[in-house]
Amino acid sequence: GNSVTQMEGPVTLSEEAFLTINCTYTATGYPSLFWYVQYPGEGLQLLLKATKADDKGSNKGFEATYRKETTSFHLEKGSVQVSDSAVYFCALGGSARQLTFGSGTQLTVLP
Amino acid sequence: GAVVSQHPSRVICKSGTSVKIECRSLDFQATTMFWYRQFPKKSLMLMATSNEGSKATYEQGVEKDKFLINHASLTLSTLTVTSAHPEDSSFYICSARGDSQFGYEQYFGPGTRLTVT
Repeated sequence: GNSVTQMEGPVTLSEEAFLTINCTYTATGYPSLFWYVQYPGEGLQLLLKATKADDKGSNKGFEATYRKETTSFHLEKGSVQVSDSAVYFCALGGSARQLTFGSGTQLTVLP
Repeated sequence: GAVVSQHPSRVICKSGTSVKIECRSLDFQATTMFWYRQFPKKSLMLMATSNEGSKATYEQGVEKDKFLINHASLTLSTLTVTSAHPEDSSFYICSARGDSQFGYEQYFGPGTRLTVT
């Protein structure tokens, strides 16, 4: 079956530091890959997505590239801000359009 | 566009009582809605898939008689936790899948914090 393995947190960075959150997946077929963000007390919001191999999703300075050869979809941002503090979830969308989530990574950015 | 609301945002109930949580798609129609449970510092666990006008499909290990799901219209799905127990305390999140206009993506509600005392 489908599964997502995500880098465990928590991750604490200083403002303007470089961020990487690792995500690898196991899936049959050709799934879509997503990163969702959950700010404190709120629901999940779609941050970015990629639907096929070598696609790069990007939004708000965050990027992730769909790497089929390494079954990875690592999230990166060159310079994080305090407002980026949140929980980040990697997810895989299967053929039935159901989502399989990773365990989430708590990011705290200090001023 | 693509806003999903949940009501209530927080609820405290006594053990043995039932609680209903509503999930609404405010500006789009959703033939499919999903219900998730999120444990502290854990990922989201899909509980069931709710299709408008038909019975919900429950994931393995989820008691359908305990977690009643109704999807009576294209904009409303409800989750009723029956005979709640303290172990049912959790954060429940719904999502609604948009149509072709929204790329068939899932849009998430803000969640409902249930505490059973």
